[in-house]
Amino acid sequence: DIQMTQSPSSLSASVGDRVTITCRASQGISNSLAWYQQKPGKAPKLLLYAASRLESGVPSRFSGSGSGTDYTLTISSLQPEDFATYYCQQYYSTPPTFGQGTKLEIK
Amino acid sequence: QVQLVQSGAEVKKPGASVKVSCKASGYTFTSYGISWVRQAPGQGLEWMGWISAYNGNTNYAQKLQGRVTMTTDTSTSTAYMELRSLRSDDTAVYYCARAGYYGSGSHQFDYWGQGTLVTVSS
Repeated sequence: DIQMTQSPSSLSASVGDRVTITCRASQGISNSLAWYQQKPGKAPKLLLYAASRLESGVPSRFSGSGSGTDYTLTISSLQPEDFATYYCQQYYSTPPTFGQGTKLEIK
Repeated sequence: QVQLVQSGAEVKKPGASVKVSCKASGYTFTSYGISWVRQAPGQGLEWMGWISAYNGNTNYAQKLQGRVTMTTDTSTSTAYMELRSLRSDDTAVYYCARAGYYGSGSHQFDYWGQGTLVTVSS
């Protein structure tokens, strides 16, 4: 199975900050990477897929980049509704696997 | 609009079985698959398996092989996940999520159900 490692595990930031979350795969995944946002008590929400393609309806302050084994999610200017836990997921091979999550908290 | 609506919370004893349903609407059910993902309390996301609503093909996580069965009823656009021989570490929120209909189950998940809490306790 492909292991997905996110960093940091938690992050404190302020409204308006630019934040970056990193996801590293244990082997190359050819941009077969999705990012999800999850708020407490809610289902995950797809933000980006194919590493950098924004899901319909997701604000443009979210962006993704990367290649090979290393990928990043960037939020350009944090809004109050962005404080949540973020997960990366590879779908290059079965089983699809998730990172352990990054909890983004208000500073 | 696409919706996945899951059945309600369950409390089960160790050794019992649970069957969770996921009713889809707002899209052509047989043009997609359904994956099931679970989340233990305070933990991350774990993929359990996938079923193609197009042809019924399934693929299950190795650790659940022999204990899990996923099915669909195309007449009602409903997917089901049955987990048997429940243990305390099966306590989790179980989600269904829309996936591709092809391949072996590795897809991104664009729509999710609201989740079903399954509690296993004696």
